[in-house]
Amino acid sequence: EAQVTQNPRYLITVTGKKLTVTCSQNMNHEYMSWYRQDPGLGLRQIYYSMNVEVTDKGDVPEGYKVSRKEKRNFPLILESPSPNQTSLYFCASRIQGYDTQPQHFGDGTRLSIL
Amino acid sequence: AQRVTQPEKLLSVFKGAPVELKCNYSYSGSPELFWYVQYSRQRLQLLLRHISRESIKGFTADLNKGETSFHLKKPFAQEEDSAMYYCALFRWPDHTGKLIFGQGTTLQVKP
Repeated sequence: EAQVTQNPRYLITVTGKKLTVTCSQNMNHEYMSWYRQDPGLGLRQIYYSMNVEVTDKGDVPEGYKVSRKEKRNFPLILESPSPNQTSLYFCASRIQGYDTQPQHFGDGTRLSIL
Repeated sequence: AQRVTQPEKLLSVFKGAPVELKCNYSYSGSPELFWYVQYSRQRLQLLLRHISRESIKGFTADLNKGETSFHLKKPFAQEEDSAMYYCALFRWPDHTGKLIFGQGTTLQVKP
């Protein structure tokens, strides 16, 4: 089944403790992206990747890092999480960045930073 | 700057009533518009896109370039339509591949 898989689905942690949210897609998509969803603000893009080894900042990249060493994986790294990063995170992928094909989303990861 | 505006945070209707979820965008180029839906505790999924001009689950949306709108409509709401709806804009051409999302509208269909 074609899908985008995120792990973990839920995480409660403390300020400053490094964490990684994994994202994997099995559709051979070139384009991958991370969003955070906050009430009243909709989805805001954190980082995106047009292809392997090509990543760039979205609208709200502060406090986050990403890497794209393989086509299928696009982990989101919080080196020193803070409470304002408490949010619902979605990973998404698309065939290519330049086309208008629909994005496929993961199930989301709910992070709580205490 | 390009943006997508969904003026209603919450739209509450009774079952069988018509529904219109508003979406306005600002972009002077060639936009591609989408509606995504998120049912409770589920992933976002594509509902429809203007380029395909389909009707999905009874929903339709027409791109009005003059009014820069892409409102989502359904003549008779069902309880299972209750969800969060996001309007999204893709700027063509765009080297970032970015989808710009509105703030979302929660549709609540009451029995």
